[in-house]
Amino acid sequence: AQSVTQLGSHVSVSEGALVLLRCNYSSSVPPYLFWYVQYPNQGLQLLLKYTSAATLVKGINGFEAEFKKSETSFHLTKPSAHMSDAAEYFCAVSRNSGGYQKVTFGTGTKLQVIP
Amino acid sequence: DGGITQSPKYLFRKEGQNVTLSCEQNLNHDAMYWYRQDPGQGLRLIYYSQIVNDFQKGDIAEGYSVSREKKESFPLTVTSAQKNPTAFYLCASTSEWGYTFGSGTRLTVV
Repeated sequence: AQSVTQLGSHVSVSEGALVLLRCNYSSSVPPYLFWYVQYPNQGLQLLLKYTSAATLVKGINGFEAEFKKSETSFHLTKPSAHMSDAAEYFCAVSRNSGGYQKVTFGTGTKLQVIP
Repeated sequence: DGGITQSPKYLFRKEGQNVTLSCEQNLNHDAMYWYRQDPGQGLRLIYYSQIVNDFQKGDIAEGYSVSREKKESFPLTVTSAQKNPTAFYLCASTSEWGYTFGSGTRLTVV
């Protein structure tokens, strides 16, 4: 079984401030972990992906995430928030199940960026 | 450019009607998926297909049906048996890099 918990359904930061979106996972096998971003009325876009190659993963738009096995966490960070970062962010965990990738998504965190 | 095309973007359904949501991809991906998104609930898997002429139920398949006659196409029918169909529907396909999503269809019951 696998699950994802995103702490905080809404997060507000000031423009230029650090962005920290929290994600904790549970998985019975070494997982693949993802962060996706969704803008209103659009599909999800992949930000970054962890596949065990390196614990610190850099993604698009200046985002990065660190895999911490001891804490079962995969938090998303960005040093300086831009107005264009306002969106909903989803953490996801994936494992191979019967030949296909079973993906479980978190419930999402809406990021508000305050000018 | 390769991608996934979902149509229509907005769809209105009357009570008791079946409606079909289109999903087409030109990425040459084998696996395709349908998700339903409701506020505060994340994405829930409706159906998935790993190969042409084969598909499997996801977590919330009741009231939905799919077909996979071509690799490029994976239409979703929302039947009258689905009692609460108002939601945002997302189609996706996968490669080793992860999911590629379409831009979604917002279905509203009127």
